[in-house]
Amino acid sequence: GENVEQHPSTLSVQEGDSAVIKCTYSDSASNYFPWYKQELGKRPQLIIDIRSNVGEKKDQRIAVTLNKTAKHFSLHITETQPEDSAVYFCAASIGGGADGLTFGKGTHLIIQP
Amino acid sequence: DTAVSQTPKYLVTQMGNDKSIKCEQNLGHDTMYWYKQDSKKFLKIMFSYNNKELIINETVPNRFSPKSPDKAHLNLHINSLELGDSAVYFCASSWGLAYYTDTQYFGPGTRLTVL
Repeated sequence: GENVEQHPSTLSVQEGDSAVIKCTYSDSASNYFPWYKQELGKRPQLIIDIRSNVGEKKDQRIAVTLNKTAKHFSLHITETQPEDSAVYFCAASIGGGADGLTFGKGTHLIIQP
Repeated sequence: DTAVSQTPKYLVTQMGNDKSIKCEQNLGHDTMYWYKQDSKKFLKIMFSYNNKELIINETVPNRFSPKSPDKAHLNLHINSLELGDSAVYFCASSWGLAYYTDTQYFGPGTRLTVL
């Protein structure tokens, strides 16, 4: 089955700096890669996703890149703000079916004022 | 107006008991899921249903039995609860079975504590 590795487990950055979280996946059949943000005690919320026919996607301060050959994808957050502090999860699935998502173990992002 | 809802939000029970968690979505989605988030925050798929039919059943003990009375509801019944079942259980839904429509939306979670 699919295996998703996520690094780092904790990331502390100064407010206004950029943050990068990296994930690798094992199943070359995976073609859907969402990123979720989870605040303490809350549900995971989708912040951005990318499909395998696209190499990069951007939404304001958030961007995701995908390298299918290397089987890795990354989340980039620019101009970080205190409200960006949360746990971020990457995930992968084959997509197009009722597939569950295989999640990475999460990155605790801490924005230092 | 809640898209994916779960009840109860908290569930505290004794070992050996049987309990159920309910999930409902009003998004018109065809596919629903159950995920377990353990104490280390790791999220793992348990089951998925498409239009009331079981699609995925990961290696979950058969003490866990999902039931989908209709495509808007997916309930989770757990028999003979064990300490290791303590976790947050999230329901999710998506259109499923169609490319470009597989974004999953999560419910608020049910925190299960087994004493």
